[in-house]
Amino acid sequence: EIVLTQSPGTLSLSPGERATLSCRASQSITSNYLAWHQQKPGQAPRLLIYGASTRATGIPDRFSGSGSGTDFTLTISRLEPEDFAVYYCQQYGHSPLTFGGGTKVEIK
Amino acid sequence: EVQLVESGGGLVQPGGSLRLSCAASGLTLSGSWMHWVRQAPGKGLMWVSLLSPDGTTTAYADSVKGRFTISRDNARNTLYLQMDSLRDEDTAVYYCASFSKGWGQGTLVTVSS
Repeated sequence: EIVLTQSPGTLSLSPGERATLSCRASQSITSNYLAWHQQKPGQAPRLLIYGASTRATGIPDRFSGSGSGTDFTLTISRLEPEDFAVYYCQQYGHSPLTFGGGTKVEIK
Repeated sequence: EVQLVESGGGLVQPGGSLRLSCAASGLTLSGSWMHWVRQAPGKGLMWVSLLSPDGTTTAYADSVKGRFTISRDNARNTLYLQMDSLRDEDTAVYYCASFSKGWGQGTLVTVSS
């Protein structure tokens, strides 16, 4: 099973700042089958990025994904008030599919 | 616009069964890898099961293998999750998802006596 480790656990930032979230895999992820999801309290997750760097439909371009192999990054270029949430990375190249433990982006 | 709408959740006793449904619009399920994912109260996301576009490949998390069955009705464009021998630890919100298109809103399953 591929273990995904997200860091930091919590990121305290102000609106307008840049957020950099990390996701490290215990082994290389096939074909960069790595996704990022956003979840706000009481809501379903929302797909942000798939294939490590492809934005899902309707996702603003302030969200970008990068990386390959075992190291991946989600960057939010300028935080908007609605971006404060929990972010999960997930690999879907190997069964069982696995999620990271999440990074909470909170208002400083 | 892709819409995934889950239904079928509810309260069930340990050992009981439920069938979840996920009705899709704006997306043809027979052309997509589809998944069930669950989230226990206050916890993170856990993948449960997948079904391939051609319907020949399924996979399950170890914790549900032998108890849950994923399937699809192409005519209704609906994904299912048959859940048998339910346990307390299966209590969660269950989501259907395509990891290139998006998530449904979820349906709550509570297993309790």
